[in-house]
Amino acid sequence: AQSVTQLDSHVSVSEGTPVLLRCNYSSSYSPSLFWYVQHPNKGLQLLLKYTSAATLVKGINGFEAEFKKSETSFHLTKPSAHMSDAAEYFCVVSDRTSGTYKYIFGTGTRLKVLA
Amino acid sequence: DTAVSQTPKYLVTQMGNDKSIKCEQNLGHDTMYWYKQDSKKFLKIMFSYNNKELIINETVPNRFSPKSPDKAHLNLHINSLELGDSAVYFCASSRLDTDTQYFGPGTRLTVL
Repeated sequence: AQSVTQLDSHVSVSEGTPVLLRCNYSSSYSPSLFWYVQHPNKGLQLLLKYTSAATLVKGINGFEAEFKKSETSFHLTKPSAHMSDAAEYFCVVSDRTSGTYKYIFGTGTRLKVLA
Repeated sequence: DTAVSQTPKYLVTQMGNDKSIKCEQNLGHDTMYWYKQDSKKFLKIMFSYNNKELIINETVPNRFSPKSPDKAHLNLHINSLELGDSAVYFCASSRLDTDTQYFGPGTRLTVL
């Protein structure tokens, strides 16, 4: 069965410092992995997606993630945090079941950015 | 242009009532989904439809009945609402041949 584990429920960084949000996955085959962001009282926005084309995936707003098969990890990074990055971040694995895809979400990481 | 829209955005109702949430997508996608986000922000799939056909039903109580009148719409009807139904409900859509899903803004349901 597919699953993802987000290792930190809360992360705090100072503005201008790097961001690291950790995600490990479990999959019986080559997975599709995603990061979504949810700002307070908003919907889910796709940050980036991994589909085996390249292990380093660049997303929107300066975020990127690296797929490491040996470590079964898909950590999200950003070189310099901005106040507007404060949000909930979800790591997601896509599971193809019965001819369609369903998302399996991690439990989320709340990112706090300190001035 | 709103890609995936939901109405209403907020819904406050009493226990035992019946309510519906509507979802529409203008992306031309074939597949639509309903997800529930609980008070701890955990998201779980409830249903998936391909071209109006139910594909996934994730052990959701039968008080929840999705209806897809056409492939651009997927509505969620909930009978006999319970306190535990309070959550944010997200609609999403995707193309049939890809697993990238696009989410609506969510509907916050509060059952009193």
